[in-house]
Amino acid sequence: GQQLNQSPQSMFIQEGEDVSMNCTSSSIFNTWLWYKQDPGEGPVLLIALYKAGELTSNGRLTAQFGITRKDSFLNISASIPSDVGIYFCAGQKPSSNTGKLIFGQGTTLQVKP
Amino acid sequence: DGGITQSPKYLFRKEGQNVTLSCEQNLNHDAMYWYRQDPGQGLRLIYYSQIVNDFQKGDIAEGYSVSREKKESFPLTVTSAQKNPTAFYLCASKSQRGPEAFFGQGTRLTVV
Repeated sequence: GQQLNQSPQSMFIQEGEDVSMNCTSSSIFNTWLWYKQDPGEGPVLLIALYKAGELTSNGRLTAQFGITRKDSFLNISASIPSDVGIYFCAGQKPSSNTGKLIFGQGTTLQVKP
Repeated sequence: DGGITQSPKYLFRKEGQNVTLSCEQNLNHDAMYWYRQDPGQGLRLIYYSQIVNDFQKGDIAEGYSVSREKKESFPLTVTSAQKNPTAFYLCASKSQRGPEAFFGQGTRLTVV
């Protein structure tokens, strides 16, 4: 099955630094979602984006729905140790009548105190 | 509290045995999904169900089976035909009104 291209695969940063990750596809999507997964737990929804160009914030997190509808970006400002985890992007295609989401491979974030 | 409950959190089985993973939701969601997660990989769809008594294969359905007899429940059976069953299994549900899927806490299955 198709997967989204998510990059980088992993990041190791210093506490206080800003983080940026992105997700791209060769197909257009009408919805982009960003999830965070803590070790050993299920993913938790962080931000949902519903239209091209949309910019949405959730605390220190900001995500954008790309104008081309083929990409999305997630930024984390002033990282803290509890930001550690795996971040997944997910998208839903306009043609989908099943509600299925397509997931990226994830970006593993480690934060050094 | 509303949510999705997977049980058990950890499961150990001998090779060749079938095992059933539980997923229950009280969110009144119509659609439910099972994903498999391996280290360093994304989520791969095993089976999904949009309504009671109906389900479809996902991308990696071989060696798995499901049932959807009740709206709240979507159990997954990992059969002996699954060649590499050790993985982290995630259940999710979704309302028909929106694209957002909500996940359970996962079941880590180890086959020895």
